[in-house]
Amino acid sequence: KQEVTQIPAALSVPEGENLVLNCSFTDSAIYNLQWFRQDPGKGLTSLLLIQSSQREQTSGRLNASLDKSSGRSTLYIAASQPGDSATYLCAVRGGGATNKLIFGTGTLLAVQP
Amino acid sequence: KAGVTQTPRYLIKTRGQQVTLSCSPISGHRSVSWYQQTPGQGLQFLFEYFSETQRNKGNFPGRFSGRQFSNSRSEMNVSTLELGDSALYLCASSLRGQGASTDTQYFGPGTRLTVL
Repeated sequence: KQEVTQIPAALSVPEGENLVLNCSFTDSAIYNLQWFRQDPGKGLTSLLLIQSSQREQTSGRLNASLDKSSGRSTLYIAASQPGDSATYLCAVRGGGATNKLIFGTGTLLAVQP
Repeated sequence: KAGVTQTPRYLIKTRGQQVTLSCSPISGHRSVSWYQQTPGQGLQFLFEYFSETQRNKGNFPGRFSGRQFSNSRSEMNVSTLELGDSALYLCASSLRGQGASTDTQYFGPGTRLTVL
């Protein structure tokens, strides 16, 4: 059974710092891994999707890496801003004909001005 | 292009009642998935529909059901509501669905259900 864990559960950093969020999963047979952002009381915003054959994806100040063999992904945020404050969730999609995502527990990020 | 929409946004019901939530996917998307989010359990998969067929189901009791219409809009129904059903219900849509590793899932804003 696939299990997804995110460390740390919460993180507070001063504005301008670079930071790394971690995601680990127990079953390496995944189709892809997706990083999402969730603002309080809101839905999820997709940030990056990494296919199982890829090693990393970049979008602006965000860079996500994937090491399938070790069951790990990281989300790197450069030059953090107060507007980056949110909960960050990673989710893995297993193989087969399904879009089922298994989510981690999330990292609550606070960027202090 | 309009995003995923969910109605209603907020709902208050009492125990024993039933509720129907609606989700309209992004135009052209054929796969719709539903998730329940609670502080204790996090995000949990309920079910997925693709071309009007349920393709996968999570570990929820039979009180939770859903369907998808020919225009890809989806509804989920919860019967005999319990206090523990209070949650944010999210739906997500994607374009190709089956077997597409590049398929990004786009989430709606959710329906906040409170059961009293």
